[in-house]
Amino acid sequence: AQSVTQLDSQVPVFEEAPVELRCNYSSSVSVYLFWYVQYPNQGLQLLLKYLSGSTLVESINGFEAEFNKSQTSFHLRKPSVHISDTAEYFCAVSLNTGFQKLVFGTGTRLLVSP
Amino acid sequence: DAGITQSPRHKVTETGTPVTLRCHQTENHRYMYWYRQDPGHGLRLIHYSYGVKDTDKGEVSDGYSVSRSKTEDFLLTLESATSSQTSVYFCATRVSYNSPLHFGNGTRLTVT
Repeated sequence: AQSVTQLDSQVPVFEEAPVELRCNYSSSVSVYLFWYVQYPNQGLQLLLKYLSGSTLVESINGFEAEFNKSQTSFHLRKPSVHISDTAEYFCAVSLNTGFQKLVFGTGTRLLVSP
Repeated sequence: DAGITQSPRHKVTETGTPVTLRCHQTENHRYMYWYRQDPGHGLRLIHYSYGVKDTDKGEVSDGYSVSRSKTEDFLLTLESATSSQTSVYFCATRVSYNSPLHFGNGTRLTVT
């Protein structure tokens, strides 16, 4: 079975600084990878996804993530964060064969301060 | 998002009582899921459905049952609520097996 590890439960950062949220997965077969964002009192929203093709994927609000098969990682990065990026971020993985459940990491809370 | 409505949004109930949470979707998505979110655990899958009357267990299904009699509705029942089931419950839907999940806004359940 696949699993996801998000080592950082909380990442504090100043506004306009770069940030990296780490995600590592474990699977013996090929996977699909996702990052979701959760703002307070809301459900999760898809931020970006890797299904196949280019290993670097981008979101519309400046985040990017790179699929690294050799290191089994899918780290999320942003070169300059805003106060509005304060939220909880979840990495998720599913196997890419047939119907598969999505397994989530425990989440990383990004705290952006002025 | 994606026309998913969860009801109720908040509920307080007593230990030992049955509770039913409802998820209603308007997107005609085939796959539906119930997750619970707890600090330090992220989201954990309770039950899921891959079609009307087709459901299966997730990783934390003990004490929960589900039903899906129509494409648009997925009900989660706590047969006899316990304090360990105090949590935020999220419903999610998916068009196909490799598409992203769409989430409702959650139901905050407190069992006293």
